[in-house]
Amino acid sequence: ELKVEQNPLFLSMQEGKNYTIYCNYSTTSDRLYWYRQDPGKSLESLFVLLSNGAVKQEGRLMASLDTKARLSTLHITAAVHDLSATYFCAVALSGYALNFGKGTSLLVTP
Amino acid sequence: DSGVTQTPKHLITATGQRVTLRCSPRSGDLSVYWYQQSLDQGLQFLIQYYNGEERAKGNILERFSAQQFPDLHSELNLSSLELGDSALYFCASSAGTQKNIQYFGAGTRLSVL
Repeated sequence: ELKVEQNPLFLSMQEGKNYTIYCNYSTTSDRLYWYRQDPGKSLESLFVLLSNGAVKQEGRLMASLDTKARLSTLHITAAVHDLSATYFCAVALSGYALNFGKGTSLLVTP
Repeated sequence: DSGVTQTPKHLITATGQRVTLRCSPRSGDLSVYWYQQSLDQGLQFLIQYYNGEERAKGNILERFSAQQFPDLHSELNLSSLELGDSALYFCASSAGTQKNIQYFGAGTRLSVL
């Protein structure tokens, strides 16, 4: 059974600070995704990482993938309040269905 | 707006009842996925259809069933509802490219009373 573990599950950080969310998964996969979910809303695709060493950046968010360690990271640089949301990593199963982590609830405070 | 349409947005029903959730995928997407999101189980994959055929099954209960129609819209049928079926049900669609990004609808919030 494929397991996807995120940590931390809850994160409160000050504006302007940097932090990293970690996503470990238990079996080989060739696709890793990061999604964002605002309270009561749907999931928005942030990044898809397809190969070992892949790095993607969008604004203050940067995602990376180490397939050998089965680890992906989502790095937040100089956090702002608008980044407050829940962030999910997901690993593709055969047939491309996604197996999600429990999510990291991020709160950015002044 | 992801382009994936789900109806209804909210559904309130009683235990033992049956409901149908509907999903229209993005234009051109052949794959449709159903997920359930609840506080205790998190986001769980239920079932996937590709161009009308069932492609993959996840943690879908026998009381639940789905289908994809020739116009590619999909329906998720939930029967003999229990309190524990209360959750947010998402539909997602994808084009089946190498990246295969799944685009999620706004969800249907089901409350079983």
